[in-house]
Amino acid sequence: QVQLQESGPGLVKPSETLSLTCSVSGYSISSGLYWGWIRQPPGKGLEWIGSVYRSGSTYYNPSLKSRVIVSLDTSRNQFSLKLTSVTAADMAVYYCASGIVIPTSRFDYWGQGILVTVSS
Amino acid sequence: QSALTQPPSASGSPGQSITISCTGTSSDVGGYNYVSWFQQHPGKAPKLMIYEVSKRPSGVPDRFSGSKSGNTASLTVSGLQAEDEGDYYCSSYAGSNNVVFGGGTKLTVV
Repeated sequence: QVQLQESGPGLVKPSETLSLTCSVSGYSISSGLYWGWIRQPPGKGLEWIGSVYRSGSTYYNPSLKSRVIVSLDTSRNQFSLKLTSVTAADMAVYYCASGIVIPTSRFDYWGQGILVTVSS
Repeated sequence: QSALTQPPSASGSPGQSITISCTGTSSDVGGYNYVSWFQQHPGKAPKLMIYEVSKRPSGVPDRFSGSKSGNTASLTVSGLQAEDEGDYYCSSYAGSNNVVFGGGTKLTVV
């Protein structure tokens, strides 16, 4: 069974870079599927941030593309998110998720989520 | 890109059927048979309920069904149960390797 677990700082200062890691168990990320991130501001809906395929090819939400990097670490069976120049608008629960995302928008597996607060 | 449009809320009594809509454009919902639906309970991660418009993952009750007509996709929950209460989100492929979500619908079982 595929299991995902987010980790990283729960507090980031404005203008700094948000960095999160998702550890995967039960499946080798180099075997297939898309691995990525979705966020949910408090009390609001879901927003796809971006995903990376096992080949390393990346796919990003156009509205965030200039600030986002999603990458794989196959040696650790992890993948990560970097979001630069954060503002209060980036405060959200960040979920790592995987599935056959492109093109089906199918996210089968989800982490429990991690709340990231943006504040000085 | 704009989020897909969902009604903010929906409600039904136990045993009844309820349908939640998800309206997009010909560039997303209407252009591809790649609509998914997710259920989210408070404080929990979303759960995939429907993919590719009408397919159910293993373990999802057949009370949940999906369909699409034109630019609008729909999720129908039949035989409503108390445990079906929660938020529901649709997603769709939007072309150019892009995915878009709906704003969410809060389903209440009264």
